[in-house]
Amino acid sequence: DQQVKQNSPSLSVQEGRISILNCDYTNSMFDYFLWYKKYPAEGPTFLISISSIKDKNEDGRFTVFLNKSAKHLSLHIVPSQPGDSAVYFCAASPYGNKLVFGAGTILRVKS
Amino acid sequence: DVKVTQSSRYLVKRTGEKVFLECVQDMDHENMFWYRQDPGLGLRLIYFSYDVKMKEKGDIPEGYSVSREKKERFSLILESASTNQTSMYLCASSPDRYEAFFGQGTRLTVV
Repeated sequence: DQQVKQNSPSLSVQEGRISILNCDYTNSMFDYFLWYKKYPAEGPTFLISISSIKDKNEDGRFTVFLNKSAKHLSLHIVPSQPGDSAVYFCAASPYGNKLVFGAGTILRVKS
Repeated sequence: DVKVTQSSRYLVKRTGEKVFLECVQDMDHENMFWYRQDPGLGLRLIYFSYDVKMKEKGDIPEGYSVSREKKERFSLILESASTNQTSMYLCASSPDRYEAFFGQGTRLTVV
């Protein structure tokens, strides 16, 4: 039973446009959410996070939105760049317990 | 910079062999984790450890064991390797169980 779901296996976006990656979760105990980025043959690297007491967090081109009532979060990348092409994992944590990851979304940014 | 180092990038082992995957972190983190990454399944937690000599099962511990004799080192052991354990193995450490820092991964092939 997947508690964190990324329903889009892949997404293709033109360079300069917005990329929107989505994530849904089922466990209402999750209080902290993270996005990781992974290039082939490398380990995931932390990208951005959000606490459940917020509904938005920005860091440069990356913004994460959290809708607690819908149990949904999204990552916006504006503008998208070819170097953003990677696998993006959504992760959630219930009160500092172990992270639970989604299946990942492959983002391809076309130049 | 946090550094998590996995002993091998690529490994090829035979069915039935005992396999050791080593992971070392240099940031004095209490928490360490072993995940495996498979296409369409994301990152699944095998085992984790919150302290030296302590270990807890993750979501898919069958066929694996772990050892944490020193704070900086967390080893994953495949007792008798099987072909369905062919995967990318990722080690991570964390200061607070929220944000995880990953190693570069070990691509294990069992033939």
